[in-house]
Amino acid sequence: AQSVTQPDIHITVSEGASLELRCNYSYGATPYLFWYVQSPGQGLQLLLKYFSGDTLVQGIKGFEAEFKRSQSSFNLRKPSVHWSDAAEYFCAVVGSGGGADGLTFGKGTHLIIQP
Amino acid sequence: DARVTQTPRDKVTEMGQEVTMRCQPILGHNTVFWYRQTMMQGLELLAYFRNRAPLDDSGMPKDRFSAEMPDATLATLKIQPSEPRDSAVYFCASSPTGGQPQHFGDGTRLSIL
Repeated sequence: AQSVTQPDIHITVSEGASLELRCNYSYGATPYLFWYVQSPGQGLQLLLKYFSGDTLVQGIKGFEAEFKRSQSSFNLRKPSVHWSDAAEYFCAVVGSGGGADGLTFGKGTHLIIQP
Repeated sequence: DARVTQTPRDKVTEMGQEVTMRCQPILGHNTVFWYRQTMMQGLELLAYFRNRAPLDDSGMPKDRFSAEMPDATLATLKIQPSEPRDSAVYFCASSPTGGQPQHFGDGTRLSIL
């Protein structure tokens, strides 16, 4: 069975500092990987996705993520965070062969931005 | 921007009552998913449909939950009878042909007293 681990429950970063959120997945074949962001009381917004090809993917709001097959990781990064980035971030995986299968999510990382 | 629409946004009801949550997927999307979010379990897949046919509902308690797609523009999730442990945020998501990525609605926040 596939699984996703986000080892950091909370992360606090100063505004303007760089950010890296960790995500490790377990899946027997080639996965599709996603990062979603959830603001309080809102649904999940897709930040970026990896299907194949270039292992460094660019997303919205200045985020990027790098797929490292050897480490089973898909870490999310941003060079300079803004106060509006404070939210819950979820990493998710689905099997590439499944196409329209449901996502398996990590438990999320709560990002706090210090002024 | 096209959006997944869920109604109601909030629902508070007493234990034993029937609850119906509705979802309008993005026009043209042929796959619809239902997820549940709780503090303890996080985001869990309950069920999903493709072209209105149920593909997998193994994540759903069968005795009290049911999911249907009466037509391509409406998906419903029903709980009967409801219990306090059903309190959660229920999300609907839809995706285009090919399956990914999924686009989420704003959820229904359900409280069972």
